[in-house]
Amino acid sequence: KAGVTQTPRYLIKTRGQQVTLSCSPISGHRSVSWYQQTPGQGLQFLFEYFSETQRNKGNFPGRFSGRQFSNSRSEMNVSTLELGDSALYLCASSSQSGTNTEAFFGQGTRLTVV
Amino acid sequence: DQQVKQNSPSLSVQEGRISILNCDYTNSMFDYFLWYKKYPAEGPTFLISISSIKDKNEDGRFTVFLNKSAKHLSLHIVPSQPGDSAVYFCAATGSGTYKYIFGTGTRLKVLA
Repeated sequence: KAGVTQTPRYLIKTRGQQVTLSCSPISGHRSVSWYQQTPGQGLQFLFEYFSETQRNKGNFPGRFSGRQFSNSRSEMNVSTLELGDSALYLCASSSQSGTNTEAFFGQGTRLTVV
Repeated sequence: DQQVKQNSPSLSVQEGRISILNCDYTNSMFDYFLWYKKYPAEGPTFLISISSIKDKNEDGRFTVFLNKSAKHLSLHIVPSQPGDSAVYFCAATGSGTYKYIFGTGTRLKVLA
């Protein structure tokens, strides 16, 4: 069974640009979450989707947005990039509709904003 | 407000000995807890979890203990192996929140 796939693995963007990251969950998983990892802040929750609906959103500015498609694949978009957006963006999928279950992470997309 | 805390940024243990990683939380609404292991440039790998209705869960060399009254959980690795060297994150969640709150991680180094 294939794991969570994130593309691209690495990305370099310029301040002010926008970026779209993609995540394909484990087959059969309908819940997809996104996290930002930075050296000082650890893993911070961005948002979670289940059956194309956003069920929760973290404390990030509106420049961060996401969506989920009918095949459970998800994308997140960051507009007007800032230097502080440089981070590892991680996607996780889980099989259950609730939260009391383990989530499986992809390898992440390393975004560098210059 | 750090709701999940891992107060030890790093830990060194001799191969074959026990590694004990600690995690404290403040939110009494958390009812499910997980441990993840992370190597550099990779995503976190799920290790073990525990529900708040239990106080212990074992899986091979890994055991997680939960002390609800102290709002404390710990991960025991016995025996520790050099391949266990990684950053370990604890995470917590509550029913209906659809998100994990992660600690800042503990870097474990197992010395051969």
